[in-house]
Amino acid sequence: RKEVEQDPGPFNVPEGATVAFNCTYSNSASQSFFWYRQDCRKEPKLLMSVYSSGNEDGRFTAQLNRASQYISLLIRDSKLSDSATYLCVVNSYTGGFKTIFGAGTRLFVKA
Amino acid sequence: EAQVTQNPRYLITVTGKKLTVTCSQNMNHEYMSWYRQDPGLGLRQIYYSMNVEVTDKGDVPEGYKVSRKEKRNFPLILESPSPNQTSLYFCASSLGRTVSYNEQFFGPGTRLTVL
Repeated sequence: RKEVEQDPGPFNVPEGATVAFNCTYSNSASQSFFWYRQDCRKEPKLLMSVYSSGNEDGRFTAQLNRASQYISLLIRDSKLSDSATYLCVVNSYTGGFKTIFGAGTRLFVKA
Repeated sequence: EAQVTQNPRYLITVTGKKLTVTCSQNMNHEYMSWYRQDPGLGLRQIYYSMNVEVTDKGDVPEGYKVSRKEKRNFPLILESPSPNQTSLYFCASSLGRTVSYNEQFFGPGTRLTVL
């Protein structure tokens, strides 16, 4: 079983739609959580950090559920420019600091 | 401009020919890391460094070496490349030593093909 799992998609949605991605992680000692965005095999860039209390940045809302060990990302009012791969990232300390990436969820937003 | 640079961006080589991919950051970051990205597997951590002269293995360190003699540089060395090391490689840096709560900044990537 992968340490961080995501539905690879692709998710095909029309402009203006709301779309949600989930990510599950297996290491209960995980400390911090992020969503990164990656365009066409370019470098990943931070979209947002994820906090237990939930956090929002414009059209994007991230949520963390430590009890169930999953992270979610909600995108409202999708834009064409949101088309990308969304990577779930988990940092943990188990004898050393490690960063584990999910394989990514591909999103296509159509006009 | 604050950035992470990698060189070369593209490299085609043959099995067994030693190569080095350089990584440099100008943000005075403590933490640096190397990842490889393969289809369906996502990014996997090869090695990371929390400070000068401090390096540690990630999830897939076999066949790779790193060094951190200066804060800004973190080269990735393949002593004897093999075809299964054909991949897209990313270097990243982060402000804090432990990366836990800090954003990682990525270089543009190096596409390596080993024939």
